[in-house]
Amino acid sequence: EPEVTQTPSHQVTQMGQEVILRCVPISNHLYFYWYRQILGQKVEFLVSFYNNEISEKSEIFDDQFSVERPDGSNFTLKIRSTKLEDSAMYFCASRVAGGNYGYTFGSGTRLTVV
Amino acid sequence: AQSVTQPDIHITVSEGASLELRCNYSYGATPYLFWYVQSPGQGLQLLLKYFSGDTLVQGIKGFEAEFKRSQSSFNLRKPSVHWSDAAEYFCAVVPTGQGGKLIFGQGTELSVKP
Repeated sequence: EPEVTQTPSHQVTQMGQEVILRCVPISNHLYFYWYRQILGQKVEFLVSFYNNEISEKSEIFDDQFSVERPDGSNFTLKIRSTKLEDSAMYFCASRVAGGNYGYTFGSGTRLTVV
Repeated sequence: AQSVTQPDIHITVSEGASLELRCNYSYGATPYLFWYVQSPGQGLQLLLKYFSGDTLVQGIKGFEAEFKRSQSSFNLRKPSVHWSDAAEYFCAVVPTGQGGKLIFGQGTELSVKP
């Protein structure tokens, strides 16, 4: 069964550093998402991406965040200057076009900001 | 306000007992409805989804859910719980006309005692 692949599985970074979280969505999927889950809390929507542009973003997704699909296969989330409160599990998801809403989630990247 | 509510933060059931996890939503139009399961340190796995039609939905791993429009609920059930069902369960919705993002409830942690 096709999978969404996320790397790395765990990243530790110093506060103020830039991090890039990587995702390889399923090849025929057209919608891409990033979600985050702070430890012990619910999964929160960050951003959706379609047709090479952001289609929607949440209040969490401020100027420190950016997304990119640089080469037609990878989908990245960049945090420019990490803060302690960015520590969370970040999930990538993708789905096909249309009303199926068959999301596939990756296993997540645990980001720890120290 | 629009929301997804899972009233139970933590539930403990005995192995072999039946299970019901509650989910209520508050949206003007009935959203698309989902249940996901998350094992410790893992990603999100889709158990089942409801878009329309038969209000009793069958999912994987022996789970089912019933949509009740009058109660704005989509409760998850399993007739006989196995120890391997211990995990975090998330109800989620895709609000109609809001771009396709998933909105998650707070989650219910299920513990199974022998």
